[in-house]
Amino acid sequence: NAGVTQTPKFQVLKTGQSMTLQCAQDMNHEYMSWYRQDPGMGLRLIHYSVGAGITDQGEVPNGYNVSRSTTEDFPLRLLSAAPSQTSVYFCASSIWVNTGELFFGEGSRLTVL
Amino acid sequence: TQLLEQSPQFLSIQEGENLTVYCNSSSVFSSLQWYRQEPGEGPVLLVTVVTGGEVKKLKRLTFQFGDARKDSSLHITAAQPGDTGLYLCAGSNTGNQFYFGTGTSLTVIP
Repeated sequence: NAGVTQTPKFQVLKTGQSMTLQCAQDMNHEYMSWYRQDPGMGLRLIHYSVGAGITDQGEVPNGYNVSRSTTEDFPLRLLSAAPSQTSVYFCASSIWVNTGELFFGEGSRLTVL
Repeated sequence: TQLLEQSPQFLSIQEGENLTVYCNSSSVFSSLQWYRQEPGEGPVLLVTVVTGGEVKKLKRLTFQFGDARKDSSLHITAAQPGDTGLYLCAGSNTGNQFYFGTGTSLTVIP
C-alpha cells in the first residue's frame, strides 16, 4: 500500500531558487492538501484541492503555487525560495472533508539558505 | 490565525501516570479529530468526534467533544512509553479546510 508519496524527503535551496515538491496518492481521494509544520505552530494549510482542476488557498498561500491536473497528483511549487520557507512540508489526502480521515505523506524537509 | 489552541504545549510524565490534553477554540466545528505524530513521520488519525458531548474510548485513550462543539479533550490513563509523540487536534467545517491545533508534545519516561 503506497498511500501518499512525497518526494523529495530532503532538499536544500538557495534564496531565490525555485523547486517543486511532488505528491501522489493511489487511494482515489478527491481532496488533497499541503501543510507546512513549524515548531510550536502545528500544521498550517497552504493550498488544497477538492478535485482535479480545482484548487484554493489555505491559511499561508503566499510564495507557493499548486495545480491539480489529475486526481492522483498535487505538486507544490516554490516560486522564489526564501529563508522563511524553511520548514517541513506534508501532503495529505482525504476521501471527503467534513469527517474524513486525512492520510499524510512522510514529509519533505526543506532548508532555504 | 490559529483557530485551535492546545494545552499544554509540552508534557513530560512518568510511566503509569494519567494526563489530559486540551484543545480549545472560539469557533464551532462540524467534526474534530485527534492525530498522533512520531518523529520523521506524518500524523496518523486516532479518532473523529462529530456530536457535541460525544465521548469515544480507544483502549487507554478517552476523547471528548465539547457540548458546543468548540473544544475537545484527550485523556490518557496509565501512560506508557509507546504513547510518546506529538498529539494534534484538527477541526473541520463546511469550508473544505482542516484547521490544526498547535500540538502537544508528550514524553512518557519509563
